[in-house]
Amino acid sequence: AAGVIQSPRHLIKEKRETATLKCYPIPRHDTVYWYQQGPGQDPQFLISFYEKMQSDKGSIPDRFSAQQFSDYHSELNMSSLELGDSALYFCASSRTPGTSGSRRSDTQYFGPGTRLTVL
Amino acid sequence: AQKITQTQPGMFVQEKEAVTLDCTYDTSDPSYGLFWYKQPSSGEMIFLIYQGSYDQQNATEGRYSLNFQKARKSANLVISASQLGDSAMYFCAMREGVGGSEKLVFGKGTKLTVNP
Repeated sequence: AAGVIQSPRHLIKEKRETATLKCYPIPRHDTVYWYQQGPGQDPQFLISFYEKMQSDKGSIPDRFSAQQFSDYHSELNMSSLELGDSALYFCASSRTPGTSGSRRSDTQYFGPGTRLTVL
Repeated sequence: AQKITQTQPGMFVQEKEAVTLDCTYDTSDPSYGLFWYKQPSSGEMIFLIYQGSYDQQNATEGRYSLNFQKARKSANLVISASQLGDSAMYFCAMREGVGGSEKLVFGKGTKLTVNP
């Protein structure tokens, strides 16, 4: 079965540089979520999109922005990178919450993550 | 306030034995979902099992089962016949509401080590 695709898998940047993370959801999934997991931490929700519109926003710095495109893929843009941005960034996807008869209709399936290192 | 509490930072189990990982949650929303994810040392987040707040029966998926006690607000994961490959971090997570905000809130995780 197709899974969530994230690219790149690893990224090394210098402080104050910019980074773009890409996410390709599972086919027919229309909702995308971004999470940040620092070393030894649990994942923290950043932002989500449904049908190309932002649906919720969490603890996402103003230096970060994201969008979902017409083909449902999403990109997380990170500017003025700081050492503290070093983390594992996950994208997850799900089908429209609450509209499917399957009890798993809103399960979020995670991609393999992008490991960002800021030097 | 912590919405998901996992009180066991680390757990050890012998291969082929069963193990229970604890999870308690806090919500006033009548509609919510509880999830367990496995994160091996390689880093990916693997979905294991889901329990909806209105589900009448405890969820089961192969060797994984969820001991859902709604009144106690607990959703413990039971892994039967542990295998060496089960060694990983296990996260309990909760989704609140239907529609609108669908984000997951995670617990701090439990590191499970399966000994041969």
